[in-house]
Order: sequence, then structure tokens, then C-alpha cells
Amino acid sequence: QVQLVESGGGVVQPGGSLRLSCAASGFTFSTYGMHWVRQAPGKGLEWVAFIRYDGSNEYYADSVKGRVTISRDNSKNTLYLQMNSLRGEDTAMYYCARNWKYGDSWGQGTLVTVSS
Amino acid sequence: EIVLTQSPGTLSLSPGESATLSCRASQSVSSSYLAWYQQKPGQAPRLLIYGASSRATDIPDRFSGGGSGTDFTLTISRLEPEDFAVYYCQQYGSSSWTFGQGTKVEIK
Repeated sequence: QVQLVESGGGVVQPGGSLRLSCAASGFTFSTYGMHWVRQAPGKGLEWVAFIRYDGSNEYYADSVKGRVTISRDNSKNTLYLQMNSLRGEDTAMYYCARNWKYGDSWGQGTLVTVSS
Repeated sequence: EIVLTQSPGTLSLSPGESATLSCRASQSVSSSYLAWYQQKPGQAPRLLIYGASSRATDIPDRFSGGGSGTDFTLTISRLEPEDFAVYYCQQYGSSSWTFGQGTKVEIK
């Protein structure tokens, strides 16, 4: 069955960096576009970034543009989110989601806390 | 950027009643690109409806979606205890997603 497992979250100081991973299994990862979506504590869903199935194009929310890089390694069935210059407002649960038009499968999320 | 506005913010209903949730877009949205999700506390979102009206895999038929253009609805007929949750609409455009702010369906 389709499975997405995020990892890499944790507590980081403002200005710090983290790399999140999303390990995919149960489907042909290299044929699907993938998204990162985040949810601040007690808040709604916020789209973060999208990468095409072949990694040829990346797209970012204005709130993270220039600080975040989405990438993928289709040989390892893994999606990444490199996050730099982290701010308090980046504190959230980060989810990876499959498919370009709508998220038909989601991981369980990894929590990022930006705090001194 | 298209803004999605969901209403009401909270819906207080009893099991067995029906719920009608609204999602209004600031500009016309292709029906193919409109989806609805359910999220329970501590869980990831779960796809319910895609293409405005198609049920996702294993979604009960008491969930139905409709609408077009700028006005979309999610209807839950005969609320079951497990249906009390937060619901989000989402649209796809310009290689990005936009979400509504969510509607909480709570037990009255």
C-alpha cells in the first residue's frame, strides 16, 4: 500500500537549518509530483512547495521562497525539504503529499519547532 | 492568487443530521482542480472528494461534493460519530495549492 514517512523534524534555533525527508513506498515514486504542506499549531493547512515528478521544476509559497528548497531522489524514492534561515513562524507540522492536483496520500508529518 | 473562503467556521450538529459546508473562491476554479479533505486531531488530512464531486477511494457515499465556478459544497448526510472533524477545501492552480481556512463540524 502507499506509504509516505516523513522524518528530520526537531527543535532548531532561529536562523538555523533543517532537512526534512519523506520516504515513499508502495507506488512508482518517479511518476508522481509531490508537495510539502505545513500546519502551524492550532491553525489551518498551508502549502509550502511542489516538485514535478522528474524534478524538472520547483514551485514555492511566497512565505518560504528563497529560504527553502524542495528536491527529490527518484533512485531512493525520497522527497526532501531543505529549510534555511528558519523563523518562529516556520514552527509547524510538515506533511508530504502525493500528486499534483490534490493530495491522495499524505504522510503522518514531522514536527519542526523554531525556538531559542 | 485565488482565495478560498469556507463557511461556516463551525457547524454544531447531532449524529444523524446532515451537514452542508461551503467553499467560495475569489475567482472561478476549474472543477477538476477542487478537492475536499477531512482532518481529525493528531492526524494527517485525508482526501474525501476530488474533481469537485468524485469520491476518493474508500470514502462512504454519505459524503458528496458539488458546485462549479466559484461556489462549491461538501455535503455529509446522516452524520456518523467519526465524521466530527475539520474539513478543508483546496484548489490547484499555477503549480501550487490553496486551502480554505477550514470548517469544524462538532457534536452539538
